[in-house]
Amino acid sequence: AQTVTQSQPEMSVQEAETVTLSCTYDTSENNYYLFWYKQPPSRQMILVIRQEAYKQQNATENRFSVNFQKAAKSFSLKISDSQLGDTAMYFCAFRPNSGYALNFGKGTSLLVTP
Amino acid sequence: ETGVTQTPRHLVMGMTNKKSLKCEQHLGHNAMYWYKQSAKKPLELMFVYSLEERVENNSVPSRFSPECPNSSHLFLHLHTLQPEDSALYLCASSQTLRDYGYTFGSGTRLTVV
Repeated sequence: AQTVTQSQPEMSVQEAETVTLSCTYDTSENNYYLFWYKQPPSRQMILVIRQEAYKQQNATENRFSVNFQKAAKSFSLKISDSQLGDTAMYFCAFRPNSGYALNFGKGTSLLVTP
Repeated sequence: ETGVTQTPRHLVMGMTNKKSLKCEQHLGHNAMYWYKQSAKKPLELMFVYSLEERVENNSVPSRFSPECPNSSHLFLHLHTLQPEDSALYLCASSQTLRDYGYTFGSGTRLTVV
């Protein structure tokens, strides 16, 4: 079984600052995908960024980047230049190549303050 | 417009009622999913359909009954629910079963009284 752990239930950051959300996972698989999803108050889960485990280079999408440490099974999300619209729940998720279901963590509630 | 539309947005039902949740996508996706999101818990996969066939039933109680009449529509029929079934029910779709791009709907907030 795969488990995803997000150790920070809540975080707060000031506008324009940088924040890092933590995620660790446990798996015996070697090939898999990792994701960060954002869930704003509108409730729709939106894909922020994804990482293929076979790629050593960390994924980047504009202000969002990840620090993927495969040996440590760690997948943190860095948000640079935080904006008020980044306020949301953030979920880390895992999917093995052999499967199709996303396994989610419990989420981190991020509040961006002016 | 999210691409995946869920109705109703909110639903309050008694334990003896029968109701249905609806999910619709016109993205041309072939796989659809039901997830349950409860407070302080990870999202739980409930059902998976691929090309209108159920491929996974994740030990979900029989008071939840899914239906996928075509690749664009997915229903979740509810009957004799319990208060602990109150949650946000999210529908998602993907091009294929192992596609890494899920598109989610905005969910139905269900309250069982």
